[in-house]
Parts: sequence; C-alpha cells; structure tokens
Amino acid sequence: QKEVEQNSGPLSVPEGAIASLNCTYSDRGSQSFFWYRQYSGKSPELIMFIYSNGDKEDGRFTAQLNKASQYVSLLIRDSQPSDSATYLCAVSTGGGNKLTFGTGTQLKVEL
Amino acid sequence: DGGITQSPKYLFRKEGQNVTLSCEQNLNHDAMYWYRQDPGQGLRLIYYSQIVNDFQKGDIAEGYSVSREKKESFPLTVTSAQKNPTAFYLCASNSGTSGNPDTQYFGPGTRLTVL
Repeated sequence: QKEVEQNSGPLSVPEGAIASLNCTYSDRGSQSFFWYRQYSGKSPELIMFIYSNGDKEDGRFTAQLNKASQYVSLLIRDSQPSDSATYLCAVSTGGGNKLTFGTGTQLKVEL
Repeated sequence: DGGITQSPKYLFRKEGQNVTLSCEQNLNHDAMYWYRQDPGQGLRLIYYSQIVNDFQKGDIAEGYSVSREKKESFPLTVTSAQKNPTAFYLCASNSGTSGNPDTQYFGPGTRLTVL
C-alpha cells in the first residue's frame, strides 16, 4: 500500500527559528512531491513542489528531496506566528495526477 | 477572477437524506477530485475525473456518487448509504498538462454535518 508518513506534532518553535518538517513515503515510483499549508477550518494551499533530488528554495521556504532515502522535508526559516498551521505532505506517482497525502504536521510558532 | 468554488459552505443532513455538494472551476482544468477530511486526519480521495463524462473511484467511494457532464463542474452526492458522512469535503483540480502536471489546487471546502 502506498503510504505517506508525517509526525503529527505539534512541533513548537520560537519565533525567528528554523522549523523542520519531515515526510517519508513508501512508493519508490513516486515522482512529484508537494507541501501544502492548511490553516484551521480552511482548505490546503500549495507552498511548493519538488521533482528532483536536492534542495529547492522559495523565499523563507526550502524543500529537500532524497529519493534514495524516500524522504522529503520542508524548512521554514525565520518562522513567524502566521506560519502556525498544519503542513501536509503529498506525493504523486507517475502515470496519473493522483496525490497521496500524509496526515499532516501541526506547527506552532511561539512568541 | 479564476478559481474553484464550492457550495454550500456549511450543509446539514438528516438521517436517510441524499445531499449534493457543488464544485465549479473556471481554470480550464481537465482533472477534478473530491476528498474527505476528518478531524486530525489527512485527505482521503473519494472520486476523481480526468476528462468529461469519465470518472474513477478513489480509496473511499462507497456511499458517494459523482457526475462529470461539463468540464467546469464535478458535483458530489453523499447518499444515505454513507454511514458516517460528517466531515470536511474538499474539491480540487489540476490541468494535467506539462510543466506542473500534478499540482492540485483546492476549493474552500464544504463542511457537512449529519443531524
């Protein structure tokens, strides 16, 4: 069964620190990896995606992918209270556009 | 103003009732999806459609039905056969084209409660 695993948290970090969110996946055929942010009671919004091994940076966010270890992570630099949300990892396997989602990690950025 | 709309925002269902959730997109996307989210859980795929007049069951299709008569619309019916329908329902779509073939964008969601 194709699975995507995330630590449910909550992960608490002080304001200004780096938050590190992790995700592992079981299907070695997975090709595309996505991070979504979901505020309480709202729908998920895309933060960024990554296809290739290595790092991809977008502003304060960096996605890291290691296909050999079947591991994808999201780093949030200079964390702000507005970053407090649940972060969903999603994985797509080639041949279709379906996504498999993890259960999400709740991030709390404390003043 | 392009995007995905879902209606209603809140919906209450009595036992034994069928209810239909609306999802419309004006992004010219080919593929559309319905997910269910329970408290503290991730998203689970109910049904998806990659082209008009065609759709496939997802992981939890029992008790649900869909139609895809128009590219812009993908309504979901929650039937009385769905024994535990109280959840947050999310509709998503993507283009299926090269570049960002898999990126899905979500509507605002419908919160369904069984009375």
